[in-house]
Amino acid sequence: DVKVTQSSRYLVKRTGEKVFLECVQDMDHENMFWYRQDPGLGLRLIYFSYDVKMKEKGDIPEGYSVSREKKERFSLILESASTNQTSMYLCASRTPSRKAGSSYEQYFGPGTRLTVT
Amino acid sequence: QKEVEQNSGPLSVPEGAIASLNCTYSDRVSQSFFWYRQYSGKSPELIMSIYSNGDKEDGRFTAQLNKASQYVSLLIRDSQPSDSATYLCAVNTPGYSTLTFGKGTMLLVSP
Repeated sequence: DVKVTQSSRYLVKRTGEKVFLECVQDMDHENMFWYRQDPGLGLRLIYFSYDVKMKEKGDIPEGYSVSREKKERFSLILESASTNQTSMYLCASRTPSRKAGSSYEQYFGPGTRLTVT
Repeated sequence: QKEVEQNSGPLSVPEGAIASLNCTYSDRVSQSFFWYRQYSGKSPELIMSIYSNGDKEDGRFTAQLNKASQYVSLLIRDSQPSDSATYLCAVNTPGYSTLTFGKGTMLLVSP
């Protein structure tokens, strides 16, 4: 079974703090993703990575950065946390397209509920 | 722009009934389709994937795909209160690196 883990389930930070959210997957997936989810807005893609040290902006990258130094680990960084970044943050990883029968299946971690005060 | 549309619900069904959840997508060349279940406060869980026209059954769940109508659905037979959750539809389109998600349909199964 695919396992995606996130470093914290709940996190409370103060405005202006630098925040690190860590995500690790154990299936050797190339593609990893960071989303935030807010009521009424659905899942919104922040950043994704398709290989080590490679990253692409998603729909809402402002105020965030990412790091992928190892294949299994994808980190989301809030450079200076603000109250409008209070949200549920979801990491995901995805099977490659070449894997027959399960192409593009994407698996989520348990999520981190971040509160910025 | 790629779009995936779902009725937000809530869809209310009595225990034991069939729940039918629907999803339409805008890009005709989309090839892979997924259903996720998300309980309140939890992360989405992949429950079904479908790649070809027709039906795919897994236990009480059946996914149905009609590419000509750009329509994918999820049927839940013998609905249980534990099926109460939000169901997200997701679509993969060739040439795009990411899935496109609908906003989800809330399902409520009453005892």
